[in-house]
Amino acid sequence: DAGVIQSPRHEVTEMGQEVTLRCKPISGHNSLFWYRQTMMRGLELLIYFNNNVPIDDSGMPEDRFSAKMPNASFSTLKIQPSEPRDSAVYFCASSPGRPPPGQGAQGPIRADTQYFGPGTRLTVL
Amino acid sequence: DQQVKQNSPSLSVQEGRISILNCDYTNSMFDYFLWYKKYPAEGPTFLISISSIKDKNEDGRFTVFLNKSAKHLSLHIVPSQPGDSAVYFCAASEYGGSQGNLIFGKGTKLSVKP
Repeated sequence: DAGVIQSPRHEVTEMGQEVTLRCKPISGHNSLFWYRQTMMRGLELLIYFNNNVPIDDSGMPEDRFSAKMPNASFSTLKIQPSEPRDSAVYFCASSPGRPPPGQGAQGPIRADTQYFGPGTRLTVL
Repeated sequence: DQQVKQNSPSLSVQEGRISILNCDYTNSMFDYFLWYKKYPAEGPTFLISISSIKDKNEDGRFTVFLNKSAKHLSLHIVPSQPGDSAVYFCAASEYGGSQGNLIFGKGTKLSVKP
């Protein structure tokens, strides 16, 4: 399996521009998560989807941020307009919604274990 | 209000010795705990996990211990290797196996010196 795929890996843009980050979750996973990592705040959950439906977007910092999941294999995180304080590494993660094959629900690896992509490093000048 | 705390930002250990990374939590509803390892310029990688019905889970050189009464878990790496140098994140879930988000600590940077 290719794992979670994110693009672009690096993005440099100027303040006020629109930025779109993309994520392809692991095939068969039914939950998708967007995180932001900064030195000051660590790893913050922005929003997550179950079966393509947004469940919790309370971590989205403000209306400039929006996320969509039009189908089970694709999600976008958009920032418009971007600001220098949005500079961070943005991670996408997915979870399977079921235990690994051969393991029961109470086995060591649970259905809500998340698997991360490589991240997008965003720099807003 | 940090529900998952990793109080040591960094840890330095000699190759071949034991590394012990600690994590404390405040939410008694957490029932699943995970450790992730993160190298620079990469995403966090799932390492090992433990359900609250267990107090120990072992996978090769990595062992996670859970002390529910103290709301404390630890990751032991024995023996430590230079390739283990990374940032380690502790995470927790309260969703009983159904889908939901994880709560992460801020990480501990482990340096294993040859």
